[in-house]
Parts: sequence; structure tokens; C-alpha cells
Amino acid sequence: GENVEQHPSTLSVQEGDSAVIKCTYSDSASNYFPWYKQELGKGPQLIIDIRSNVGEKKDQRIAVTLNKTAKHFSLHITETQPEDSAVYFCAAEFAFGNEKLTFGTGTRLTIIP
Amino acid sequence: DADVTQTPRNRITKTGKRIMLECSQTKGHDRMYWYRQDPGLGLRLIYYSFDVKDINKGEISDGYSVSRQAQAKFSLSLESAIPNQTALYFCATSDSGTHRVNEQFFGPGTRLTVL
Repeated sequence: GENVEQHPSTLSVQEGDSAVIKCTYSDSASNYFPWYKQELGKGPQLIIDIRSNVGEKKDQRIAVTLNKTAKHFSLHITETQPEDSAVYFCAAEFAFGNEKLTFGTGTRLTIIP
Repeated sequence: DADVTQTPRNRITKTGKRIMLECSQTKGHDRMYWYRQDPGLGLRLIYYSFDVKDINKGEISDGYSVSRQAQAKFSLSLESAIPNQTALYFCATSDSGTHRVNEQFFGPGTRLTVL
């Protein structure tokens, strides 16, 4: 079945440095790749997404890159701040998945002050 | 604000008990989903519904059932709870009437413990 692998599972970064989280997917026909942020005690919230016809998308300090040939996509957070500490999930919508999302296993990001 | 709410937020129950988790939304979305979250396993889809008369199994539906009572309400039931159903459960919604049909909005979650 469809599969999304996410690495690393935990990541600690000094405040002000950059953080990168990577995901790979199994279905080459996948066409939509969102990233969700889950703060403590809350549900996941969409922070950025990218479609298969675009290679990169940026929104202030966060960016997502997509490599369709290698079937992987990454989340980049620059100038990290304490409020970036959270669990991040990548996801993919598979071509024949009826618009359902398959999620990665999550990355716990900790920003060290 | 339009929102997704879940009740209860926390629940402790015993093996063999029937339990219902409820989800309500004021977003006017037609699609609703139930996920469970376990450490190291991410979010896994239990059931989803694209409208009131539509119910579909997700990847881990065994041991669960759902009811879509209205467009705004989607309940998840555990007919006979077992300890490995201890998890964090999330309801989510999306709107097929927009170009952002894939964007899902999550509730705050229900932490369920089965003893």
C-alpha cells in the first residue's frame, strides 16, 4: 500500500539555526504534499503544502521542496524560534487514494534557547 | 470562529466497555475523518465520510464503527474496548467545495485509555 517515511523522528536545533525534516513516498503518481504542525495538547494544523507541478514553495521562514524523481520532499525552517518546537507531520495524497492523506510518523522538533 | 470540537477530551474506560467519541464542526464542511495517533506511528485513518450517506473504512477500521448523524456530526464507537485501543483520537474535516479540498482541519483530540 501507500507509504510515507519521515526522518528524523527527533531533532534538536539551537535557536536561530535551521531545521530540515525529510519525507519519502512510495507512489510516483502522488500529487499533493502537505506539512502539519502539532503543538502540545492540540490537533495538527496545516502550515504549508506543495503540489506536484511545483518544485519549491516558501512562506516566510518555512519552505518545502519536492523532488519528484527521487520521490522525496522536505520541510525547511530557517531562523528557528522557541515557538517552532512541536511535532511535525508530512503527508501525501496518493493518485488513487480518493483524496485521502497518508501521514508520516512525525518529527519532534525541539528548539534549544 | 468556525471550529471542530471533540468530546470528551479525556476518557478512561475498562476492557470490554462500549465507548463513543463525538465530533462536531461548525465549518460547514462536508467531509469528516477519524484518525488515531500512536507514538512512533503517526496518524492513521480509521474511517472517513464524504457526506451524510457515505461511510468508508480507512486503514485500521477493525474494532471501530462510525455514525454520521448529520453533516456537522461524526461519532466513533468502540463496541468492546481493548487495551491496544489506548491512543489519541482526532477528528478532522475538509471541504470538497473549494480548490483546497485536500486541506484537513483537526479537532483538539480525545485521549482514550483502556485499562
